[in-house]
Amino acid sequence: DVKVTQSSRYLVKRTGEKVFLECVQDMDHENMFWYRQDPGLGLRLIYFSYDVKMKEKGDIPEGYSVSREKKERFSLILESASTNQTSMYLCASSSGWGEEETQYFGPGTRLLVL
Amino acid sequence: GDSVTQMEGPVTLSEEAFLTINCTYTATGYPSLFWYVQYPGEGLQLLLKATKADDKGSNKGFEATYRKETTSFHLEKGSVQVSDSAVYFCALNTWNTGNQFYFGTGTSLTVIP
Repeated sequence: DVKVTQSSRYLVKRTGEKVFLECVQDMDHENMFWYRQDPGLGLRLIYFSYDVKMKEKGDIPEGYSVSREKKERFSLILESASTNQTSMYLCASSSGWGEEETQYFGPGTRLLVL
Repeated sequence: GDSVTQMEGPVTLSEEAFLTINCTYTATGYPSLFWYVQYPGEGLQLLLKATKADDKGSNKGFEATYRKETTSFHLEKGSVQVSDSAVYFCALNTWNTGNQFYFGTGTSLTVIP
């Protein structure tokens, strides 16, 4: 089974702090994704990566950056956390291109910014 | 642009009732279609998928048929259980026109004994 893990299930941070959310997948997937999930808004794509050291902006990249130094690890960085970044953050990975491509999700990190 | 629309929730059903959650999509290419389930406090889990028209995805008693003529992928289950209480997301992947995943806003289901 594909396993996607996230470094924390719950985080509490203060406004202005730098926050790192880490995601690791164990299936040698090329593609990795970061979403945030908010009530009534569903999932919104923040950033994604198709390969090591490559990154692409999603729909809501403002206030975030990412890092992919190794194929299995994709980090989301909040440079200066703000209260409107309080959310559930979901990492996903997928195997590549084609009609069979499927995203597999981690358990999520619930971030509270005070 | 490409998108997914699913029925608003919340949905409350009694145990053993029949479930339908509607999902329609808009896509320029030939998307793959998915249903994901999210249990409380968890991430999304793949429930079922279909990759071409008329395909039926099925898993754990849930079914959905890819209907190209009505651009729909409705989720059904004949007899729900309390353990099916969760949020259900419909999604599509436009794998041949840019490889983007699009998710619906989710439908919350509560099954009462």
